[in-house]
Amino acid sequence: QITLKESGPTLVKSTQTLTLTCTFSGFSLTNSGAGVGWIRQPPGKALEWLAFIYWDDDKRYSPSLKNRLTITKDTSNNQVVLTMTNIVPVDTATYYCVRNNIFDYWGQGTLVTVSS
Amino acid sequence: QSALTQPRSVSGSPGQSVAISCTGTSSDVGSYKYVTWYQQHPGKAPKLIIFDVSERPSGVPDRFSASKSGNTAFLTISGLQAEDDADYYCCSYSGSYSWLFGGGTKVTVL
Repeated sequence: QITLKESGPTLVKSTQTLTLTCTFSGFSLTNSGAGVGWIRQPPGKALEWLAFIYWDDDKRYSPSLKNRLTITKDTSNNQVVLTMTNIVPVDTATYYCVRNNIFDYWGQGTLVTVSS
Repeated sequence: QSALTQPRSVSGSPGQSVAISCTGTSSDVGSYKYVTWYQQHPGKAPKLIIFDVSERPSGVPDRFSASKSGNTAFLTISGLQAEDDADYYCCSYSGSYSWLFGGGTKVTVL
């Protein structure tokens, strides 16, 4: 059974750095072709792809956010971490982690609220 | 990169068919066979219902079908059912290992 679960702060102040962790099970990020990504959704708005990391540590970022994002993996603990610097209120959103580059499995999401 | 364009809403009665368009450019939808569609019910995480333009994952009813023509992808829901009332998002690979989502379409079952 494949599961992913996001964890991190629910409230962050502007200008701070947000760190989110995705803990997954049922697959391995050491397998060729595997990957985990992050997608966010502001309240009442559309989905936005943020970042993706592959089994070989190849990392990809949204062009509009790449200067603020860092994605890393910890294969021994089945975790992927996303950091976003210089957080502002428009970054308020539900953040989802997803499996593979067709986003075939999703975590339940974690709502992050940014206060000014 | 701009988001893919979807109609804000479509509606239909039970048993009818509805179609949702997803318009991109020759740099994304028009260039790759990597279009996916997701269904999202209120308060829930999205669910993959179509990948690689027209392929259905195991367990997705065959009343969901999809295609692509030029820079536009289409999702069709045939034999509309009450549980199809949800938001639908398209997504396309847009080169350089990045992905674009559409703005979402609200499907209302009347």
